[in-house]
Amino acid sequence: ILNVEQSPQSLHVQEGDSTNFTCSFPSSNFYALHWYRWETAKSPEALFVMTLNGDEKKKGRISATLNTKEGYSYLYIKGSQPEDSATYLCLMNYGGSQGNLIFGKGTKLSVKP
Amino acid sequence: NAGVTQTPKFQVLKTGQSMTLQCAQDMNHEYMSWYRQDPGMGLRLIHYSVGAGITDQGEVPNGYNVSRSTTEDFPLRLLSAAPSQTSVYFCASSFSARFTYEQYFGPGTRLTVT
Repeated sequence: ILNVEQSPQSLHVQEGDSTNFTCSFPSSNFYALHWYRWETAKSPEALFVMTLNGDEKKKGRISATLNTKEGYSYLYIKGSQPEDSATYLCLMNYGGSQGNLIFGKGTKLSVKP
Repeated sequence: NAGVTQTPKFQVLKTGQSMTLQCAQDMNHEYMSWYRQDPGMGLRLIHYSVGAGITDQGEVPNGYNVSRSTTEDFPLRLLSAAPSQTSVYFCASSFSARFTYEQYFGPGTRLTVT
């Protein structure tokens, strides 16, 4: 059974701190990886879609990298703000088949002012 | 654009009752899907569709039916609700069935089966 692991499960940081978390996945049959941001009482919103080994994406203070050979992706937040508080999810598609989707359980980030 | 809409937002059912969760998107997206979210678990795929008239099963399809008669709508039917189906349900859509495109999620439906 394929599994996508996210670590840590939760993270508490102070405003202004930079932070990062990990999504680990089986490297065989990798097709694409998505990162989503999920605020409480809202629905997940896409941050990045990554497909190529070595991909780096950036949106404002948030960036992500992808290593498909070793099976991990990092999400970085520079200078965390209270509005960054959310759960960050990664979603892996393997083999390219539309039904082969696995979500990680997420990393819950809390940023204290 | 309204994006992805879901109705109802909340529903309480008794065991054995049936109901349909509605999902619609106005972005002309090819791919639509249903997920359930349970405590301690990631979002799990129930059913998906790659276009009108085409549906297929995801990871946890038992107890649910879907149909896709139009590009816009993708309803999820519970034929005989069970307490194990208590969950939050999310509908999502994507421009293409290729996963090089992001998914857009609806606001969710919180279902309780007593």
